[in-house]
Amino acid sequence: AQTVTQSQPEMSVQEAETVTLSCTYDTSESDYYLFWYKQPPSRQMILVIRQEAYKQQNATENRFSVNFQKAAKSFSLKISDSQLGDAAMYFCAPGRDDKIIFGKGTRLHILP
Amino acid sequence: NAGVMQNPRHLVRRRGQEARLRCSPMKGHSHVYWYRQLPEEGLKFMVYLQKENIIDESGMPKERFSAEFPKEGPSILRIQQVVRGDSAAYFCASSQQGWGYEQYFGPGTRLTVT
Repeated sequence: AQTVTQSQPEMSVQEAETVTLSCTYDTSESDYYLFWYKQPPSRQMILVIRQEAYKQQNATENRFSVNFQKAAKSFSLKISDSQLGDAAMYFCAPGRDDKIIFGKGTRLHILP
Repeated sequence: NAGVMQNPRHLVRRRGQEARLRCSPMKGHSHVYWYRQLPEEGLKFMVYLQKENIIDESGMPKERFSAEFPKEGPSILRIQQVVRGDSAAYFCASSQQGWGYEQYFGPGTRLTVT
């Protein structure tokens, strides 16, 4: 069975600084996808970034980037120049053609 | 282009009543997913539907829960004879294609069973 581990239940970062959220997963699939979703206090789930496992290049979306280590089954999210609006729960979610599994999340606090 | 719509946003039911949760996917999306989120937990997959078809219901409890996505109208998640343990946030998501593509989430329905 596919499992996801987000080992940091909560993290804090100073505004404008950089923070990295970790995620490891277990899968026997060779072709799959990986997502990071954000859930702010409004509870709306918002896609932050998407990575395809067959691509070696790490995905980047503006201030958000990932460090995808396929052999280590690690998919960390880096947020640069943190902003107050980044405060949210962040969920790592590896997926394949028939399912996405969400981790338990990391709550990120931004300190002004 | 309206996003995924869910209603009601909040639903209170007494034990034993039925709960009906509605989800209208984004325009052009034919794939609908339902998830349940307990407090301080991630989302747990429940069911994946396309129009008039249940593709995967492996996350649905065997009893009391059912889902449909008719040819016309919203997708419905129905919970019969609700119990306190059903209290949770239920999210619907839709996508243009299947699992590998971005899912757009609705705002969720918070169900409280008293």
